[in-house]
Amino acid sequence: GQQLNQSPQSMFIQEGEDVSMNCTSSSIFNTWLWYKQDPGEGPVLLIALYKAGELTSNGRLTAQFGITRKDSFLNISASIPSDVGIYFCAGHGNQFYFGTGTSLTVIP
Amino acid sequence: GAVVSQHPSRVICKSGTSVKIECRSLDFQATTMFWYRQFPKQSLMLMATSNEGSKATYEQGVEKDKFLINHASLTLSTLTVTSAHPEDSSFYICSAPDRPYGYTFGSGTRLTVV
Repeated sequence: GQQLNQSPQSMFIQEGEDVSMNCTSSSIFNTWLWYKQDPGEGPVLLIALYKAGELTSNGRLTAQFGITRKDSFLNISASIPSDVGIYFCAGHGNQFYFGTGTSLTVIP
Repeated sequence: GAVVSQHPSRVICKSGTSVKIECRSLDFQATTMFWYRQFPKQSLMLMATSNEGSKATYEQGVEKDKFLINHASLTLSTLTVTSAHPEDSSFYICSAPDRPYGYTFGSGTRLTVV
């Protein structure tokens, strides 16, 4: 099925730095979701966005639903070692589509 | 929040045998569940959608006779990998829609076929 374009593919950052990743689609979505997956585990929902322009925070995480409804971004502020993992965006229109993932490595 | 319980978390089987993976929604009803396959360092690829009380819908390229899906009740979906071969080794994950939270995922099953 369709996959969303997610960038960057991987990031290596120093602890304490901020992180930004985004997701784009050629289709309009009604819902954008951001998940984190730890090795050997299933994805865990971080933030759900339901309205164009919506900006939602969850602790150090902030995500926005793009005005065009074709994109979303996720920011992580003041990264810590436990932020390591793979982050996936997901969009839902008439179907549910996953992003290609962003692998985050935080260097202590 | 919603919980989807997936078992087993790891399984090693001999080539030619069948393996069943279970996915249960613990505190909500799921008329639909999704089954994904994930290769190392890659995204999740949707294999099929299971529907309670009706046949599963398979994505293009997924062999329905090899990956048998049964949605026996509003809280249970199973994926059976039949006559498994080493190329079937992968990480399998289920999920169920749980609005307004989105989609809740199971913890995944690491299948190794030897």
